[in-house]
Amino acid sequence: QSVVTQPPSVSGAPGQRVTISCTGSGSNIGAGYDVHWYQHFPGRAPKLLIYGNNNRPSGVPDRFSGSKSGTSASLAITGLQAEDEADYYCQSYDSSLRGVVFGGGTKLTVL
Amino acid sequence: QLQLQESGPGLVKPSETLSLTCTVSGGSIGSTYLYWGWIRQPPGKELEWIGSIYFSGATYYNPSLKSRVTMSVDTSKNQFSLNLNSVTAADTAVYYCARHYQLLGPGTHTEYFQYWGQGTLVTVSS
Repeated sequence: QSVVTQPPSVSGAPGQRVTISCTGSGSNIGAGYDVHWYQHFPGRAPKLLIYGNNNRPSGVPDRFSGSKSGTSASLAITGLQAEDEADYYCQSYDSSLRGVVFGGGTKLTVL
Repeated sequence: QLQLQESGPGLVKPSETLSLTCTVSGGSIGSTYLYWGWIRQPPGKELEWIGSIYFSGATYYNPSLKSRVTMSVDTSKNQFSLNLNSVTAADTAVYYCARHYQLLGPGTHTEYFQYWGQGTLVTVSS
């Protein structure tokens, strides 16, 4: 059981906006540690999507955005496309566990 | 474009040592602020960070696995390696190597994985 929790699944129709939550506690997200997001297609290398809460690496479309408040963070995807169907993971640092922690992952289905 | 590729046995017997190597191409393993890490994902479970190593050889392990993990780096070959001893079926997972960016300072602590390998499935079974 991860110390950072995500919904197991979310879905949306093409063109819609979806958000994926990442809920932590006072020893990770709530302590001010940055949240990062990854996109993962099964069988392929995971890809960094958002770093430092709300920054996109070069090449990531601006349809993807991140935010953080208190003990939670969110990934928003606007203008949903079929190619966005993948697993999404959040990641932070936990001072109690003294290491990097990942969320349990969220499967995005494009209807 | 930086690329990472994991290699090693796909099957390991219980109680033995799992050994994997990650070969880095398209960039040098000897860069500041950059660690090189291992992450795994057991079937149906979440990602778990195993540990990371700096080009100098300094290591940073997940405390929950620290007693069984050893990492090393070979800058001449642009490779780094993972050894996980006394494995059990619970260590069956897809193992990924990744470039681990870390920046620590007064009021600053950020670390994330910039590039990942495709992963290699390691099964622990007799």
